[in-house]
This record gives sequence, C-alpha cells and structure tokens, in this order.
Amino acid sequence: EVQLVEYGGGLVQPGGSLRLSCVTSGFTFSSYAMYWVRQAPGKGLEYVSAISVNGDSTYYGNSVKGRFTISRDNSKNTLYLQMGSLGPADMAVYFCVREASSGSDHWGQGTLVTVSS
Amino acid sequence: EIVMTQSPATLSVSPGERATLSCRASQSLDYNLAWYQQKPGQAPRLLIYGATTRATGIPARFSGSGSGTEFTLTISSLQSEDFAIYYCQQYSNWPRTFGQGTKVEIK
Repeated sequence: EVQLVEYGGGLVQPGGSLRLSCVTSGFTFSSYAMYWVRQAPGKGLEYVSAISVNGDSTYYGNSVKGRFTISRDNSKNTLYLQMGSLGPADMAVYFCVREASSGSDHWGQGTLVTVSS
Repeated sequence: EIVMTQSPATLSVSPGERATLSCRASQSLDYNLAWYQQKPGQAPRLLIYGATTRATGIPARFSGSGSGTEFTLTISSLQSEDFAIYYCQQYSNWPRTFGQGTKVEIK
C-alpha cells in the first residue's frame, strides 16, 4: 500500500523557519517526481514546489521562490521542504504528493503550519 | 504559468441529478488534465486523469471529457457522498497549476 506521511508542521513565529518531512512507503520512491501542495484555511490548492526523481531539477511557486528549498533522500524514501522567512500567507496545510504519468495519484494526509506570534 | 479557470464556483444539485463542471486552460494541455475531489478535512483524491480516464476505484458515474483547453467533469447521478469540492489540474507544464475549485452542494 502506498503511504505518504508528513511530519514537521506546527506553530512558528513570523520570520521563522520550519522543515517538513514526508516519509513514504509502498512504492519505489526514487522512480517518482514529488511535490508539495498547500491549502490555506478555506482556500484552494496551491502548488508550492516540485523535485525530479534524482533531485537534479526543482521548481518553485512564485510565492515561495527564494525562501523554500525542496530536497529528497532516495535512500530514506523521504521528501523534505525547508521553509524560511515564514509569514501569515504561508499558513496552510501542506500536502506531500506523488506524481505519476496519470497525475497526482497519491497524497499524504497533510501537516498544518501555523504562523503566529 | 498556465492559468486554470473553473466554473461555476458553486453548483447546487439535488441528489440523483446530473452535475456538469467546467475547466478551461489558458493554453493547450492536449489531454494532460486531471480532476480531484476533496471533502472537508481530507486530502484531495484523484478521480480522472488524461482528461477522460477514471482512476482506480472511481465509480462509473464520474466521467471526464475534453482536450486542448476545454474540459468537463460530469457526475451522472449525484450520490450523497459526491457533495464536495472538485479541482482540475494541468500536468502539461511546470509549474503544475490548479483551478480554483467548484463546490458541489445539496440543493
């Protein structure tokens, strides 16, 4: 069974940093591009960042470019998102997502990031 | 960046009726379009990929059509569990982009 489990969400002060992890199982992690999608309370889905299968290509949404860094460790089947200079607009549930040729076929349950003083 | 526009924002439908949701892309996607269903407190679930192919386990009452820039999701006979928010997403270009969603509510 394919599983994606996010960790690392929580309360952070404005301007602070946080690192999210997504631990995966049930599939060959190194064969799939992965990305992060976020959803602010009551809002729609926003693409945050993506990474290719071997990590040599990354993509970022305009709202996080220069502040967030995506990475992966294929030996640990884990995806990461290092987030910095966090502000109220970054407050959201962050989903880890597997991309297949058929679209985003598996999603984690999400982890909530709250930015508040 | 490809802009995805969904309509309507909200669709009020009675159980058993048909629902038709639209999604338009700012440039051609060929068939690289997916539809997702999201219920409160849950992650989105893949319904349709390749514009027309149902994902594993998705009931036959869900169907997708279209290509290029115009796409449609049809739910032939709404069941109680189908009331949710539906998103389209293009995976033709990076960055992947989503529509703003259509909420299907009980009439």
